[in-house]
Amino acid sequence: QPVLTQPPSVSGAPGQKVTISCTGSSSTFGAGFDVHWYQQLPGTAPKLLIYDNNNRPSGVPDRFSASKSDTSASLAISGLRAEDEADYYCQSSDSSLPGYVFGTGTKVTVL
Amino acid sequence: EVQLVQSGAEVRKPGESLKISCKASGYSFNKYWIAWVRQKPGKGLEWMGIIYPGDSETRYSPSFQGQVTIAADTSISTVYLQWSRLEASDTAIYYCVRPKLFGFLNNCFDPWGQGTLVTVSS
Repeated sequence: QPVLTQPPSVSGAPGQKVTISCTGSSSTFGAGFDVHWYQQLPGTAPKLLIYDNNNRPSGVPDRFSASKSDTSASLAISGLRAEDEADYYCQSSDSSLPGYVFGTGTKVTVL
Repeated sequence: EVQLVQSGAEVRKPGESLKISCKASGYSFNKYWIAWVRQKPGKGLEWMGIIYPGDSETRYSPSFQGQVTIAADTSISTVYLQWSRLEASDTAIYYCVRPKLFGFLNNCFDPWGQGTLVTVSS
């Protein structure tokens, strides 16, 4: 199944900035599809964090930001806080399925 | 408020059948696709398939085609995910999700159901 590739883990000290990459393909980002990001806290359902490449839903702190290029995307968390410790997933559409694809997931650890 | 409320945890033996549900509220059920997402223990998210309740058009990920069936009952605003013969490898949490906007592709998922844990063990 097509997937979007993320690093398995990233870590940072409180207050620092961490960045998570998400690598797609010609049938995902290259086809013009948007990227979205989810945060999954331990034991809970994923929650929409960023939609349409760089938009934050109401209630999401502006410490979270994102960007996208033709073949990759990234999520940045600035001013890292203990409550940001979670799994993060990118998601897009794939014209080869056709359908949806998720990233492999990245665990963020606050040191 | 748009909500998806899923049925409770299930325990089954290999070879048994199962149907889990996802009840939608707070919006026009017939006009939005609803999808299912699998998360195996300690693993990532996998898109399984999607249904448009308005006409029951269904699309499946190649990984799940023929393994599960997605159906909808518009009279009670409910979508189902069903198996005819479960395997131990089906043990996972299953989430129903609604694309944020109209349309099949190029959407984010919001909201998410609370998840249904399915355990398959002899």
